[in-house]
Amino acid sequence: QSALTQPRSVSGSPGQSVTISCTGTSSDIGGYNYVSWYQQHPGKAPKLMIREVSNRPSGISNRFSGSKSGNTASLTISVVQAEDEADYYCYSYAGAYTWVFGGGTKLTVL
Amino acid sequence: EVQLVESGGGLVQPGGSLRLSCAASGFTFSSSWMHWVRQAPGKGPVWVSHINSDGSGTTYAESVKGRFTISRDNAENTVFLQMNSLRVEDTAMYYCVRDRSYSGDFWGQGTLVTVSS
Repeated sequence: QSALTQPRSVSGSPGQSVTISCTGTSSDIGGYNYVSWYQQHPGKAPKLMIREVSNRPSGISNRFSGSKSGNTASLTISVVQAEDEADYYCYSYAGAYTWVFGGGTKLTVL
Repeated sequence: EVQLVESGGGLVQPGGSLRLSCAASGFTFSSSWMHWVRQAPGKGPVWVSHINSDGSGTTYAESVKGRFTISRDNAENTVFLQMNSLRVEDTAMYYCVRDRSYSGDFWGQGTLVTVSS
């Protein structure tokens, strides 16, 4: 149950596109299409942004998109806005009804 | 409206016990898998435990296996986390999370557990 690997921080200017990577193994990300992404603002509970690799829940902006290649999943935020500044976490099913989070990435909007 | 309201957190000494509760409303609780997820101050969330819809299947993170027990009461729309032999490193905000398609689609606001002497 080792944590998935994310960059500690990424940054982008308003209007730019940013991508956050999440690397796991064939036992988690690579083995299942059950990767989800969460946004967390300070003092708030995490909020689901993407589930099942690339599906957006109702109400989530289409500026958020997800993908996966092999053991690495990615979250892309297009046309970054100030309100997107937050921590982002990936989360994957790891088999045998266990799950694992990434360590988190802080997005700074310049 | 979906609601998950956690309770039962507080200050406890190392080696002590706490029982967390999560009251659910606004959805068909008895059909939903549920999780507990914790987040230590300044750290990322960590998956702790899962329970299936009828309570017959449970799983745990290695760090809590043998010390924590998840259970549910579908008649009362409530999920529980019994935490025994608590350690300083169990200090965290504990979130109750509804599962949908192997993701946590709705989170409560959390209950804070502090383990300290």
